[in-house]
Amino acid sequence: AQSVTQLDSHVSVSEGTPVLLRCNYSSSYSPSLFWYVQHPNKGLQLLLKYTSAATLVKGINGFEAEFKKSETSFHLTKPSAHMSDAAEYFCVVSDPDSGGYNKLIFGAGTRLAVHP
Amino acid sequence: NAGVTQTPKFRVLKTGQSMTLLCAQDMNHEYMYWYRQDPGMGLRLIHYSVGEGTTAKGEVPDGYNVSRLKKQNFLLGLESAAPSQTSVYFCASSYSNQGDGYTFGSGTRLTVV
Repeated sequence: AQSVTQLDSHVSVSEGTPVLLRCNYSSSYSPSLFWYVQHPNKGLQLLLKYTSAATLVKGINGFEAEFKKSETSFHLTKPSAHMSDAAEYFCVVSDPDSGGYNKLIFGAGTRLAVHP
Repeated sequence: NAGVTQTPKFRVLKTGQSMTLLCAQDMNHEYMYWYRQDPGMGLRLIHYSVGEGTTAKGEVPDGYNVSRLKKQNFLLGLESAAPSQTSVYFCASSYSNQGDGYTFGSGTRLTVV
């Protein structure tokens, strides 16, 4: 089965500084990977996805992630944090079941705080 | 607006009571899911459905039942609520089975006392 590990449960940055949220995955093949964001008391929104095309994936709101097979990593970055980026971020891997159906497996989440 | 609607948004139950959470989507998606979210554990899949009339177990199905009698609705039932089922429940739907294209509802906060 596939799995993801988010290496930091909390990250705190100052507004205007870079953001790095780390994610490692475990997969027996080339997986589909995603980052989702959850703002307080809201549902989840897709930030970006990697599906074996370009290894550098650009998402919404200036976020991007790089798939590195050799490091089994899919870290999320943003050059300059904004106050509105404060939220919880989930790294997600697609896991096929015995019937070929792909389920989403979520990491534990990283809470990003942005300070003025 | 098109999307996924969950009802109710909040509920407090006593141990042993039953309830049903309703999820409705108007995007004609084939696939629907119920997740629970607990602190420090991300979202865990309870049950899912790959089409009308079908359901399947996810990671944490015990204590829950589901039904998908109509394509647009996916119901999650708790027959005898337990404090361990205190959680935030999210419904989602998707158009593909490739793991992308998910639309999530805004969640139901359930407390079992």
